[in-house]
Amino acid sequence: GENVEQHPSTLSVQEGDSAVIKCTYSDSASNYFPWYKQELGKRPQLIIDIRSNVGEKKDQRIAVTLNKTAKHFSLHITETQPEDSAVYFCAADKSGNTPLVFGKGTRLSVIA
Amino acid sequence: DTGVSQDPRHKITKRGQNVTFRCDPISEHNRLYWYRQTLGQGPEFLTYFQNEAQLEKSRLLSDRFSAERPKGSFSTLEIQRTEQGDSAMYLCASSSTGGGTGELFFGEGSRLTVL
Repeated sequence: GENVEQHPSTLSVQEGDSAVIKCTYSDSASNYFPWYKQELGKRPQLIIDIRSNVGEKKDQRIAVTLNKTAKHFSLHITETQPEDSAVYFCAADKSGNTPLVFGKGTRLSVIA
Repeated sequence: DTGVSQDPRHKITKRGQNVTFRCDPISEHNRLYWYRQTLGQGPEFLTYFQNEAQLEKSRLLSDRFSAERPKGSFSTLEIQRTEQGDSAMYLCASSSTGGGTGELFFGEGSRLTVL
């Protein structure tokens, strides 16, 4: 089955700096890669996703890149703000044909 | 609120007791998922339904766990003879296969503490 590895487990950045979180996956048939944000005590919520037919997707200050050959994808957050502090999870699946498999999460702290 | 709702939000029980959690998905969603999350970990898949059919169960789901979605709407997750290792947050999520993005919408979770 699919295995998703996520790094780093914790990340601290100064407000205004960029943050990058990286994930690798094992199943080359996976083609859907979402990122979820979970604030303390709250439910995970989708912030951005990418499908295998594109290499990059942006939404304001967040972007995701995908390298299918290397089987890795990354989340980029620019101009970080304190409200970006949360745990971020990457995930992978085969376009809804299998359940999402999540990474272990990255705890991002943005220091004002 | 038309989001995913879970009940109860917190449950404290003694080892060996049975517990049941309920999930009400977003009404038009045909898929319903159960995940388990422990501290410092990502959600781990347990099982999922499409309408009333249970399509897949994880190997994590021992015989003590059973899930149902009898009418294709709400779902229940029962844990029999609870063990301390069952202590976790049980997350329910729903999604639609009807031309949507496949996004999972999570509930707030049911936190189980087994003493």
